[in-house]
Amino acid sequence: AQKITQTQPGMFVQEKEAVTLDCTYDTSDQSYGLFWYKQPSSGEMIFLIYQGSYDEQNATEGRYSLNFQKARKSANLVISASQLGDSAMYFCAMREGNYGQNFVFGPGTRLSVLP
Amino acid sequence: EPEVTQTPSHQVTQMGQEVILRCVPISNHLYFYWYRQILGQKVEFLVSFYNNEISEKSEIFDDQFSVERPDGSNFTLKIRSTKLEDSAMYFCASRNPRLAGAHANTGELFFGEGSRLTVL
Repeated sequence: AQKITQTQPGMFVQEKEAVTLDCTYDTSDQSYGLFWYKQPSSGEMIFLIYQGSYDEQNATEGRYSLNFQKARKSANLVISASQLGDSAMYFCAMREGNYGQNFVFGPGTRLSVLP
Repeated sequence: EPEVTQTPSHQVTQMGQEVILRCVPISNHLYFYWYRQILGQKVEFLVSFYNNEISEKSEIFDDQFSVERPDGSNFTLKIRSTKLEDSAMYFCASRNPRLAGAHANTGELFFGEGSRLTVL
């Protein structure tokens, strides 16, 4: 079974608007971490934001924030004030346990920012 | 800033040939990984390595694949007899365990820039 689900294969957003990229996960661990990575067309994997399962507040990093709903097992990425340079693939990932080595990725969402 | 380095950036090989992809993880990291990505699609887990042995591997990582950390700095992925479907971008990554408190970190994966393998 898929551990990470990203239901939006592709998304479009107008420049300067906000966009939400969906991510749901499946784990029986109490301690886990959720990550978002960006992959621009150049191919490198860029870490964006992290949410720990015990973190009470939603993570924020600049224009990125994570809408963490633990009971629903969702960790949606919100990008505010989209820029053309935000056009990329976005991957949601999960690490199970603090010392767990299982680090799995979702299928990704391709975001296109329109001028 | 420390980074994961991978060589070669691109390798073209004939079907059936052996290929070795090399990685130098960040020096104080404990966990090492290989992932592959076909044509910008999903990032597929191949293998994780800790304490000089494989800790987990996927069904993709069959007998044609092997990993080694021969000298305490390099981390290599060998494909013994390449197939056409092995054509992909191969990413090496490393990380440390998530730590809380004074030396807190997120335990995120640090990726290399990838090695593109083309099998003809």
